[in-house]
Amino acid sequence: QKEVEQNSGPLSVPEGAIASLNCTYSDRGSQSFFWYRQYSGKSPELIMFIYSNGDKEDGRFTAQLNKASQYVSLLIRDSQPSDSATYLCAAINTGGFKTIFGAGTRLFVKA
Amino acid sequence: DAGVIQSPRHEVTEMGQEVTLRCKPISGHNSLFWYRQTMMRGLELLIYFNNNVPIDDSGMPEDRFSAKMPNASFSTLKIQPSEPRDSAVYFCASSQAEGEKLFFGSGTQLSVL
Repeated sequence: QKEVEQNSGPLSVPEGAIASLNCTYSDRGSQSFFWYRQYSGKSPELIMFIYSNGDKEDGRFTAQLNKASQYVSLLIRDSQPSDSATYLCAAINTGGFKTIFGAGTRLFVKA
Repeated sequence: DAGVIQSPRHEVTEMGQEVTLRCKPISGHNSLFWYRQTMMRGLELLIYFNNNVPIDDSGMPEDRFSAKMPNASFSTLKIQPSEPRDSAVYFCASSQAEGEKLFFGSGTQLSVL
């Protein structure tokens, strides 16, 4: 079992819709979770992080964490074509030393 | 700040040759990570350093791979001898402290023919 799992997609949504990206993790001791965005041919860049159960909002982005279910999600409201990218879910392992990435979900926002 | 700086951006080499990838982390960051990204395996952690000391190299695939961090501003990842299956994008990333967000360099696209 991979430590961080994501649906590879692609996920296709129309412009203006809500995109929902999901992630599960296997290390129950993980405390910190991140969403990175990676455009084709570019390096990953952080867009959200979340440490506590519940929702965290930042502009059009909302991260959700449920530690009991070992589940992390990212919602993108009012999706724009510029949001088309691969979204990588990441977790810090028990001990707080390593950032482990999921395989990423490719998102396409159609104009 | 200039961000994490990697060199070269692209490297094309022949099987059996030595390859050295270089990284300069963000000043003041004390954790440095080397990742490899391929379509098949995604983003894999190879090794990470904290305060210039290698903490976990369990992701290094074989003895052909080695990494050093002689000081706080420089790290190298060496592959000797290189093989075609080493072809990938190699990213260096740094963070201010363990467990914090990562800042990635632009990556090195390695092609081993």
